[in-house]
Amino acid sequence: DGGITQSPKYLFRKEGQNVTLSCEQNLNHDAMYWYRQDPGQGLRLIYYSQIVNDFQKGDIAEGYSVSREKKESFPLTVTSAQKNPTAFYLCASKGGGPTYEQYFGPGTRLTVT
Amino acid sequence: ELKVEQNPLFLSMQEGKNYTIYCNYSTTSDRLYWYRQDPGKSLESLFVLLSNGAVKQEGRLMASLDTKARLSTLHITAAVHDLSATYFCAVAPPFLIIQGAQKLVFGQGTRLTINP
Repeated sequence: DGGITQSPKYLFRKEGQNVTLSCEQNLNHDAMYWYRQDPGQGLRLIYYSQIVNDFQKGDIAEGYSVSREKKESFPLTVTSAQKNPTAFYLCASKGGGPTYEQYFGPGTRLTVT
Repeated sequence: ELKVEQNPLFLSMQEGKNYTIYCNYSTTSDRLYWYRQDPGKSLESLFVLLSNGAVKQEGRLMASLDTKARLSTLHITAAVHDLSATYFCAVAPPFLIIQGAQKLVFGQGTRLTINP
């Protein structure tokens, strides 16, 4: 089945620890995205990547880092510099075609205490 | 700065009634997306609207786009409980389509509750 997978589904960490969230897609999409969602809020863009070995900061990149070594994978690291890391993190990818629609993974809920 | 505003943010309806969710955006765009999110879940794509006057329908939901007014609507006909969810619109203005990556700007979401 084609799709986007994220792992883990739930993640608990102590304050001061870095944590890496996984995102994998087998849709052969070039562009991938990371969003953050806080309770009762919309989505905010953290980082995006249009091709391997290239990525750009979104609106709220501070305290986060990414890599794009493979087309299928776009991991997100939440560093200890991120002041309020507890949130729901969503990964998305986008193919070509006329709609340029973004498809979303199931999400990772990160809780930092 | 592009702004996308939805209203209402909260909507409680009775089954069988009709209602409309509005999505206004502050700059030119010819691409607008509607997504549905169930509690604790990811986003599911509902509609892609690519031109002025575009209208799409799926079951009891119908979405339309007026690019001149910078307005999209999501109309619910004869609501049923299964439509209870949060609905987001997202806009992709041309100036944010950078080398094909296309950034989306999301509205705050409309939390829809349909009561029996």
